[in-house]
Amino acid sequence: LAKTTQPISMDSYEGQEVNITCSHNNIATNDYITWYQQFPSQGPRFIIQGYKTKVTNEVASLFIPADRKSSTLSLPRVSLSDTAVYYCLVGDAGNTGKLIFGQGTTLQVKP
Amino acid sequence: DADVTQTPRNRITKTGKRIMLECSQTKGHDRMYWYRQDPGLGLRLIYYSFDVKDINKGEISDGYSVSRQAQAKFSLSLESAIPNQTALYFCATSDLIDRGPGTDTQYFGPGTRLTVL
Repeated sequence: LAKTTQPISMDSYEGQEVNITCSHNNIATNDYITWYQQFPSQGPRFIIQGYKTKVTNEVASLFIPADRKSSTLSLPRVSLSDTAVYYCLVGDAGNTGKLIFGQGTTLQVKP
Repeated sequence: DADVTQTPRNRITKTGKRIMLECSQTKGHDRMYWYRQDPGLGLRLIYYSFDVKDINKGEISDGYSVSRQAQAKFSLSLESAIPNQTALYFCATSDLIDRGPGTDTQYFGPGTRLTVL
């Protein structure tokens, strides 16, 4: 299964757009990409999922290039409450049970 | 009330003791998962269950066992705890879909912080 690599930390300011990239060079054909958000003392919370191209929901966008070797989570106009750890996850749709989380990116949003 | 609950929230135990962590959910989901999280690392899958009669090993099942007592309950046991099992443990649930785990939308509990001395 694809190893996932993310930046350890990022800083931003309120109102800015934030892009967090996850590298997964060995992604397989059956793999999906999912992003989770985690606040201190809480479990992760689903943000968005995609397979290819672009996916958008009410809180984020996910950009996946044609070769799928990376993915970028885009958070528009962040606020202080977006300060959290963000994890990318690559999982096999083929029901092998294989899934791998990245080590997480700590996003600090400043006023 | 929380949809996915875990008990206990914190536990300190000694090497060699048997420990059970419990997870309950009111979401009506068929799939349930157990993960561990270590500082600076992502989550790693221990076991997962697609229904009451289905149990599957994850990446790091050695030293752990599970029991799916009902659709709503999934327990994780450490038969003989060791210090390197000190970690944060999460339970998660998801709706049954026709794709593998890690490709579904998972709902996580608040976690159990386990310390093995």
